[in-house]
Amino acid sequence: DGGITQSPKYLFRKEGQNVTLSCEQNLNHDAMYWYRQDPGQGLRLIYYSQIVNDFQKGDIAEGYSVSREKKESFPLTVTSAQKNPTAFYLCASSYTGGYSNQPQHFGDGTRLSIL
Amino acid sequence: QQQVKQSPQSLIVQKGGISIINCAYENTAFDYFPWYQQFPGKGPALLIAIRPDVSEKKEGRFTISFNKSAKQFSLHIMDSQPGDSATYFCAGGGGTDKLIFGTGTRLQVFP
Repeated sequence: DGGITQSPKYLFRKEGQNVTLSCEQNLNHDAMYWYRQDPGQGLRLIYYSQIVNDFQKGDIAEGYSVSREKKESFPLTVTSAQKNPTAFYLCASSYTGGYSNQPQHFGDGTRLSIL
Repeated sequence: QQQVKQSPQSLIVQKGGISIINCAYENTAFDYFPWYQQFPGKGPALLIAIRPDVSEKKEGRFTISFNKSAKQFSLHIMDSQPGDSATYFCAGGGGTDKLIFGTGTRLQVFP
């Protein structure tokens, strides 16, 4: 069954700690995305990658970092510089990068909370 | 230029009624308009999408109406059911490498 797997489903962060959210896809998609979802604010783009070993900042990249060493994987690190990290984080993928006029497929998210 | 404005923020409909959610876009380069459905604790799932060469697309109880001159599109859910209760997002894509999402509409369908 093809899809996007995000883990963990719930994550807690202590003050000053970096945490990494996992996103794996087996859809053979080139492009992958990370979104942050807050109540009433829709989906805000954090980072995206159109191809392996390449990624670009989205609208709210400050306090986050990513890597794209493999086509299947696009982990997101929430650093201690992100002062308000409590949110629902969604990973998505699409067949090709550079073209926004195609479907994006989403994982089931990771809910990050501050301890 | 990049915004997609979605309304209403929330919607309450009686079972069997019609749910209507509206979106307006600014970027005339957009040529792809999807709607996503999201249940609590889950990721958004693509529901239906339209390209501007048609004014309407229907899939089962879900219909997208598209008005290119007004730069508006809407989702109609006919015979709304309690199982349709979810948050719905519209989006616009094309002419840029980013899909632009609306802020979402929380739909509640009561029996």
